[in-house]
Amino acid sequence: DAGVTQSPTHLIKTRGQHVTLRCSPISGHKSVSWYQQVLGQGPQFIFQYYEKEERGRGNFPDRFSARQFPNYSSELNVNALLLGDSALYLCASRDRLNTEAFFGQGTRLTVV
Amino acid sequence: RKEVEQDPGPFNVPEGATVAFNCTYSNSASQSFFWYRQDCRKEPKLLMSVYSSGNEDGRFTAQLNRASQYISLLIRDSKLSDSATYLCVVRPPNSGYALNFGKGTSLLVTP
Repeated sequence: DAGVTQSPTHLIKTRGQHVTLRCSPISGHKSVSWYQQVLGQGPQFIFQYYEKEERGRGNFPDRFSARQFPNYSSELNVNALLLGDSALYLCASRDRLNTEAFFGQGTRLTVV
Repeated sequence: RKEVEQDPGPFNVPEGATVAFNCTYSNSASQSFFWYRQDCRKEPKLLMSVYSSGNEDGRFTAQLNRASQYISLLIRDSKLSDSATYLCVVRPPNSGYALNFGKGTSLLVTP
């Protein structure tokens, strides 16, 4: 079985641009969460979706948005990119809310 | 005060050594506790959950002290392959199952 897959793996954007990151959860998993990991820090929670509904939001500005599709895949969108948005963006999936979270390999975003 | 605090290290230990990592958390009503392992430039992977009674998985032992809001991880007989960053993770109440991660503790096991 394929694990959590994220695309793209690497991305370079310019300040002010918009970016869309994609995540496909493990087959059968209905919950997807997004995390941002800045170099030298632990992952920080951005969003959680379960059954296509937002179930949690971390302390991130409105420039960050996400959605979950009927097939449980998810997109994270970031508008008006800042240099500080440079990070590894991780997606995690679960089959239910209270089970183990499995992480994808991440998308490494560099904003220049 | 950060919600989950860890000593960032690095911890440099020889093969075969025993090493202990500590972590404190701020929300006394937190529900679940974990240790994750993250290799360089890779995704975090669950190492073990942490239970109040303490739990062991081979060379790894995790302890939870709810009164002190303290979590520990003990690694015995360190292997070169144990070199990684160890992340202390807490699920606070009413979080929708979001996870709070510490900064991580870096371990380097040397020959």
